[in-house]
Amino acid sequence: AQSVSQHNHHVILSEAASLELGCNYSYGGTVNLFWYVQYPGQHLQLLLKYFSGDPLVKGIKGFEAEFIKSKFSFNLRKPSVQWSDTAEYFCAVTFNDYKLSFGAGTTVTVRA
Amino acid sequence: DSGVTQTPKHLITATGQRVTLRCSPRSGDLSVYWYQQSLDQGLQFLIQYYNGEERAKGNILERFSAQQFPDLHSELNLSSLELGDSALYFCASSALGVRKQETQYFGPGTRLLVL
Repeated sequence: AQSVSQHNHHVILSEAASLELGCNYSYGGTVNLFWYVQYPGQHLQLLLKYFSGDPLVKGIKGFEAEFIKSKFSFNLRKPSVQWSDTAEYFCAVTFNDYKLSFGAGTTVTVRA
Repeated sequence: DSGVTQTPKHLITATGQRVTLRCSPRSGDLSVYWYQQSLDQGLQFLIQYYNGEERAKGNILERFSAQQFPDLHSELNLSSLELGDSALYFCASSALGVRKQETQYFGPGTRLLVL
């Protein structure tokens, strides 16, 4: 069955530390990949997306993600986090349809 | 602000009751999606409408139904509510919903609490 998994449930780090969140999916066909962020009490906001082309995509707020097809992965990275990056991060995938399938989410807590 | 609006923001009701959640998509978007976010199930797709017609169905209970009106706003109706229906209900919209390479923009959600 098609699924999306996020490796880390909760990540705690200090300001200026680097962040990498893992996302893997299970599907051998064409996928469209997204990272959304949910700040406390707010709605989901799109950080970045990958449809095709350069597998390294840059998003808003200094985030980037790399699509590695052979590993079925789409990991999110930020070189230096800020306190304001405290949020829940969701990897989402559309498989051979239109609906988004979400991972369980990773809560990121950045300590000042 | 994504341009997607949802009302009400919060809803508290009792078991067995019926509620209606409302969503207005971004200007020009023809497709509306409903998702449920709960602690135990995470974010799950419920249903999609495109230009007034149901396009895809996910894990939506029979007690739940939705529709999209000619002005493209959508309503999600939840009936015979149970405690387990307490969740955050998100609406999202996209331009067409007929191509897979589209971005969905999410509204602020309606938080439903069933007591």
